[in-house]
Amino acid sequence: DTGVSQDPRHKITKRGQNVTFRCDPISEHNRLYWYRQTLGQGPEFLTYFQNEAQLEKSRLLSDRFSAERPKGSFSTLEIQRTEQGDSAMYLCASSPPIGGTEAFFGQGTRLTVV
Amino acid sequence: EDKVVQSPLSLVVHEGDTVTLNCSYEVTNFRSLLWYKQEKKAPTFLFMLTSSGIEKKSGRLSSILDKKELFSILNITATQTGDSAIYLCAGYITGANSKLTFGKGITLSVRP
Repeated sequence: DTGVSQDPRHKITKRGQNVTFRCDPISEHNRLYWYRQTLGQGPEFLTYFQNEAQLEKSRLLSDRFSAERPKGSFSTLEIQRTEQGDSAMYLCASSPPIGGTEAFFGQGTRLTVV
Repeated sequence: EDKVVQSPLSLVVHEGDTVTLNCSYEVTNFRSLLWYKQEKKAPTFLFMLTSSGIEKKSGRLSSILDKKELFSILNITATQTGDSAIYLCAGYITGANSKLTFGKGITLSVRP
């Protein structure tokens, strides 16, 4: 499968624990996005990478959230000290270099904080 | 602040009906408008519209963009139960900090 891959698909964690999600974009896609989606809402932008550089972070991304893309390939999103309000679907998308703007989404990681 | 508004938020139709889904946007440095279909999991890409007045078609689905009035519509003809999904539109901004800004989505239910 050469699509965007996310791991894990589901995560249940206790409040206060740290969680980390991984996203592997489509090969040669240099742009990578993280979005969060809650029930009844469209995806909300969290952060954006071009290669390894994190170019933008949403105000939604509190200090408990951090994202990395160390070698410009896969990316990780970490949430520290999870809260129940963090329960959501976390979507990763990638798009090719300038000239292509379609973003292709992974299957998402559904986080449930209990 | 960039904004994308979709209407209606939900819609129930019967198989065979034609539906029109609306999307209006206020996006700085606008480059294109994208439509996605989301069933239970990730959004899947439908259309990307960059130029006004040029209709894009894929089977029973078609979409068009009006850059003067800042809106787009997605039409689905002869709807089928498999069209039941959330339809998302997103404005894409160009530049160094490119990103997609999504609307809340339109939940379409097609009944047999």
